[in-house]
Amino acid sequence: SQQGEEDPQALSIQEGENATMNCSYKTSINNLQWYRQNSGRGLVHLILIRSNEREKHSGRLRVTLDTSKKSSSLLITASRAADTASYFCATDEAGKSTFGDGTTLTVKP
Amino acid sequence: EAGVAQSPRYKIIEKRQSVAFWCNPISGHATLYWYQQILGQGPKLLIQFQNNGVVDDSQLPKDRFSAERLKGVDSTLKIQPAKLEDSAVYLCASSFREFSAGVVVGELFFGEGSRLTVL
Repeated sequence: SQQGEEDPQALSIQEGENATMNCSYKTSINNLQWYRQNSGRGLVHLILIRSNEREKHSGRLRVTLDTSKKSSSLLITASRAADTASYFCATDEAGKSTFGDGTTLTVKP
Repeated sequence: EAGVAQSPRYKIIEKRQSVAFWCNPISGHATLYWYQQILGQGPKLLIQFQNNGVVDDSQLPKDRFSAERLKGVDSTLKIQPAKLEDSAVYLCASSFREFSAGVVVGELFFGEGSRLTVL
């Protein structure tokens, strides 16, 4: 069964705008990771946040984690057309990564 | 550094036929995963190896799917006989992480996947 659920399922924005996608999960986790998948390609790791961390930055990416609400968010600032992809959260529990069904982001030039 | 290699990239077969996918992980990665990704969904774990031992195969349909990782390096995933619902992308991933009772942290490195179409 899927652990993480992303919201929204699809998001369409203009280039330069910020994109926010959310992930909710059900059980306790060790850490949470975000991945990107371009159409027809494999997944690429973006960022990992540990269960004792609340916020993490990497370039234009900002991830937050609220373990009390069992939720995480991924913010992409100043989006570019090249950010068009599907984004997945993966919860890590007991050495196993479980993925949600992703958010499909379309950035229009 | 070479990435995770998978082959074939595409395969079309008739239902009830068999198919095999091959994966070569990043050198030195102890853990190898096979995921199934149906169109529009996220990857679903089929099997997880650490070195040449199985850590988790609870989601593997063992009546038709089998996987092995001989010598703890490359791995093959086989489907026999295939059903229409097996049409999906089969993703292989590897990781530095080693499974243990404690906290394990590490990113997964994915291959490009093998797209299977069952007619």
